[in-house]
Amino acid sequence: GENVEQHPSTLSVQEGDSAVIKCTYSDSASNYFPWYKQELGKRPQLIIDIRSNVGEKKDQRIAVTLNKTAKHFSLHITETQPEDSAVYFCAAPNTGNQFYFGTGTSLTVIP
Amino acid sequence: KAGVTQTPRYLIKTRGQQVTLSCSPISGHRSVSWYQQTPGQGLQFLFEYFSETQRNKGNFPGRFSGRQFSNSRSEMNVSTLELGDSALYLCASSLLTGNEQFFGPGTRLTVL
Repeated sequence: GENVEQHPSTLSVQEGDSAVIKCTYSDSASNYFPWYKQELGKRPQLIIDIRSNVGEKKDQRIAVTLNKTAKHFSLHITETQPEDSAVYFCAAPNTGNQFYFGTGTSLTVIP
Repeated sequence: KAGVTQTPRYLIKTRGQQVTLSCSPISGHRSVSWYQQTPGQGLQFLFEYFSETQRNKGNFPGRFSGRQFSNSRSEMNVSTLELGDSALYLCASSLLTGNEQFFGPGTRLTVL
């Protein structure tokens, strides 16, 4: 089955700086990689995703890059704001809609 | 469109009891997945149902079971509750396989 590792587990940045979170996966057949943001007491919400046929995808201040050869993908948040503070999870699929999640990164943006 | 809903939102049970949680997916979504979220283990996949059939199952004991009805609503059941079953149980629905999953607010289960 799939194995997803996520680093770092905690990350503190100054407001306005960039944040990068990295995930590695093991199954070379995986072809869809979502990133979720979970604020305290709330449900995980998809913030960006990427399919294996592209190397990068951007949505305003958020971007995801994928390196299929190295089997890793990264979340990049630029110009961080206090409301970006949350736990971020990466995920990779097994079969069907069975997803393996990383252990999460707690991001704190210091005003 | 209404989002994914889960009931109840909070539950307190004692060891040995059983519990049933309910999930209503987004209209038109036929895939419903269940996850257990704990501080130590993160989000762990329990099972997925698609068109009333269990399509995938995670590595959980047989005390954890589920089903899906013809309207795509899903229930999960945990029998003989243990202290370690205390967690947030999330369900997620999806329109297509290998596509975005929409999570419900979760059911917070506390086992005393």
